[in-house]
Amino acid sequence: DTGVSQNPRHKITKRGQNVTFRCDPISEHNRLYWYRQTLGQGPEFLTYFQNEAQLEKSRLLSDRFSAERPKGSFSTLEIQRTEQGDSAMYLCASSFDRLSYGYTFGSGTRLTVV
Amino acid sequence: AQSVSQHNHHVILSEAASLELGCNYSYGGTVNLFWYVQYPGQHLQLLLKYFSGDPLVKGIKGFEAEFIKSKFSFNLRKPSVQWSDTAEYFCAARRSSGDKLTFGTGTRLAVRP
Repeated sequence: DTGVSQNPRHKITKRGQNVTFRCDPISEHNRLYWYRQTLGQGPEFLTYFQNEAQLEKSRLLSDRFSAERPKGSFSTLEIQRTEQGDSAMYLCASSFDRLSYGYTFGSGTRLTVV
Repeated sequence: AQSVSQHNHHVILSEAASLELGCNYSYGGTVNLFWYVQYPGQHLQLLLKYFSGDPLVKGIKGFEAEFIKSKFSFNLRKPSVQWSDTAEYFCAARRSSGDKLTFGTGTRLAVRP
């Protein structure tokens, strides 16, 4: 078990381009979460999955954002038509169940939109 | 709206000093509370959590936190800090029936050797 893996670690993109991030959770974890963290702020919830079902989406997740977890394993977060305000650290976390464990976070993908 | 407040944004201490970081939450109903730490260049790691029972929770690396329901607080403490405790600390909360964590803005701790 190598923890929660996120790729890429860094992404620089031009405004208007699409980007996709990947998260590989701990293998036996059925819950997967996406958060966004900007400078000077704590992580903000974006969305979460239980297995392949997306159960909750934040208002922060505009229609330019989409997340998938097609087989209940890895997840992707896509941002279409990126804007400078999308620059942030995108964090993924996973958990086995919500009662006994905290959430295990990945190292994040840092997105810079220029 | 659900929120978590951390009033200390930056704290500077000398080694062996005692630490207390404040955390207040605004939630209706029963909450679960967490403290996470982020060391420079590393991912968020769980320090400790409170679900129910004894309001004094002990975590890793000598940290503890006390849940005071009447004050909606969950302050983090350590009797004697070390230089290696230099990090950013985040308090987080969720409804006991929910999955979504709400984080505070974090407290950046610098420990002088």
